[in-house]
Amino acid sequence: AQKITQTQPGMFVQEKEAVTLDCTYDTSDQSYGLFWYKQPSSGEMIFLIYQGSYDEQNATEGRYSLNFQKARKSANLVISASQLGDSAMYFCAMRDYSGGGADGLTFGKGTHLIIQP
Amino acid sequence: DSGVTQTPKHLITATGQRVTLRCSPRSGDLSVYWYQQSLDQGLQFLIQYYNGEERAKGNILERFSAQQFPDLHSELNLSSLELGDSALYFCASSVGGGLEGNQPQHFGDGTRLSIL
Repeated sequence: AQKITQTQPGMFVQEKEAVTLDCTYDTSDQSYGLFWYKQPSSGEMIFLIYQGSYDEQNATEGRYSLNFQKARKSANLVISASQLGDSAMYFCAMRDYSGGGADGLTFGKGTHLIIQP
Repeated sequence: DSGVTQTPKHLITATGQRVTLRCSPRSGDLSVYWYQQSLDQGLQFLIQYYNGEERAKGNILERFSAQQFPDLHSELNLSSLELGDSALYFCASSVGGGLEGNQPQHFGDGTRLSIL
């Protein structure tokens, strides 16, 4: 069974600092994808970034990058130059493709990030 | 705006009742997924439909059912409601059925269901 672990329930960070949100995963499959989503207090789920298990380079999307360490089964999200608007819940999620990919995402419990001015 | 539309945004009802949640996927997306977010269980996958057919089941209760119509919109039916069914229900959509690698699922704003 797949499992996602986010060990940081909450984080306080000063504005403009870089932030690393931890995510470790557990799967026996070779083919899988890792996703990060942001959930502001308003409740919507916003897709941030994706990393495939066979991707050789770490994914980047603007201020977001994914520090993918396959051997350690970790997929940490890095937010550079944090902004007040980055305050939100952040969820790491995984999906395996070995069985055809017909499945939903498995989510971690999330990290509540608060950016302080 | 993700392009996924969910209605209603809020729903308040009583135990034992039945409700229907509606989802319109992004234009061009064939897959619809339903998720439940509660304080106890976190975000859980319920069910997926692809181009009108059920594709995968997650932790969906027997009291719950879903369908996807020819115009690709989907409905999630929740019956014999219990207090524990109070949650935020998300619909998400993606272009393919899950075999295409890096396609993200785009989420709607959710329907907040409160059972009194």
